[in-house]
Amino acid sequence: EAQVTQNPRYLITVTGKKLTVTCSQNMNHEYMSWYRQDPGLGLRQIYYSMNVEVTDKGDVPEGYKVSRKEKRNFPLILESPSPNQTSLYFCASSYFSEVNEQFFGPGTRLTVL
Amino acid sequence: AQRVTQPEKLLSVFKGAPVELKCNYSYSGSPELFWYVQYSRQRLQLLLRHISRESIKGFTADLNKGETSFHLKKPFAQEEDSAMYYCAPAGGGADGLTFGKGTHLIIQP
Repeated sequence: EAQVTQNPRYLITVTGKKLTVTCSQNMNHEYMSWYRQDPGLGLRQIYYSMNVEVTDKGDVPEGYKVSRKEKRNFPLILESPSPNQTSLYFCASSYFSEVNEQFFGPGTRLTVL
Repeated sequence: AQRVTQPEKLLSVFKGAPVELKCNYSYSGSPELFWYVQYSRQRLQLLLRHISRESIKGFTADLNKGETSFHLKKPFAQEEDSAMYYCAPAGGGADGLTFGKGTHLIIQP
């Protein structure tokens, strides 16, 4: 089944404790991206990647890192999480670029205490 | 800078009534235009895109280039249409993909 998977689905952590949220897709998509969803603010893009070893900042990249060492995986790294990063995170992928249909993961609900 | 406006945060209509969710955008060039939907406790999924000109679940969207609008419409709302709806223009290169803040559509029985 073609899909985008994220792990973990739920995470409660404390300020400053490094964490990684994984994202994987099995559709051989070139384009992958991360969003955070907050009430009243909609979806805001954190980082995106056009292909392996090609990443770029989105609208709200501060406090986040990403890597794209393999085409299928695009992990989101929070080196030192803070409470304002408490949010619902979505990974998405698509063929070639952002102008094609985005396929979304199920979301990861992160709480930073 | 690119901008997407969905003026209604919340829209409540009765079952069987017409629905219109508004979207206005400000983009350089001619972006590709999408509507995504998120049902309760589910992931976002594509509802429709302008280039395909399809009607999905009874929804259609009309592009008005002069007004730079891409409003989503359905003549007769159904309870299963209750969801969050996001308008998303996508331009190539630096313009990227931008999601509106979303409209929460509630269909009352």
